[in-house]
Amino acid sequence: EDKVVQSPLSLVVHEGDTVTLNCSYEVTNFRSLLWYKQEKKAPTFLFMLTSSGIEKKSGRLSSILDKKELFSILNITATQTGDSAVYLCAFWAFGNEKLTFGTGTRLTIIP
Amino acid sequence: EAQVTQNPRYLITVTGKKLTVTCSQNMNHEYMSWYRQDPGLGLRQIYYSMNVEVTDKGDVPEGYKVSRKEKRNFPLILESPSPNQTSLYFCASSFRLGNQPQHFGDGTRLSIL
Repeated sequence: EDKVVQSPLSLVVHEGDTVTLNCSYEVTNFRSLLWYKQEKKAPTFLFMLTSSGIEKKSGRLSSILDKKELFSILNITATQTGDSAVYLCAFWAFGNEKLTFGTGTRLTIIP
Repeated sequence: EAQVTQNPRYLITVTGKKLTVTCSQNMNHEYMSWYRQDPGLGLRQIYYSMNVEVTDKGDVPEGYKVSRKEKRNFPLILESPSPNQTSLYFCASSFRLGNQPQHFGDGTRLSIL
């Protein structure tokens, strides 16, 4: 069965720290991996990754995919209190009509 | 503004009383889906639709119905709600199936007593 596992489940750091969130997956016919940020309401899209080794970057956030080792990381540098959220990892697979989500990592930034 | 709109945002109701959660998107998206989110279980897909009049079951369809009579609307129907359907529900859409980021509505928190 296709699945995605995120670690750690929760993380508490101080403002200004750098954090790395992990997402490992087992999927037949992998197509793409996506990261979302969920604050109090709707998940908002961050990145979609389809190719190994190519970093995607947006401001202080970056992400990379390793299709050989079946994982992705999301890095956040110089964290701010506004980065506090649940970060969700999900994938699309060929022949599968749904996004499969992990349970998320809850990140808390202490001022 | 491009958005997915769900209503109501919050609802407390009783077992057995039929309810409908509406979902509408203004982006001309073909693909729409419903998820429920529960602590420790993440987001699980209930139903999805690839286009008008085309719907199919997701991972947890029991106790739910959907319809897709128009491209923009994808209501979720609970014909006889039960307490185990107490959850946070999200509607999402994307231009087409697969390899696209889904856009989510703000969620509907349902409590079934």
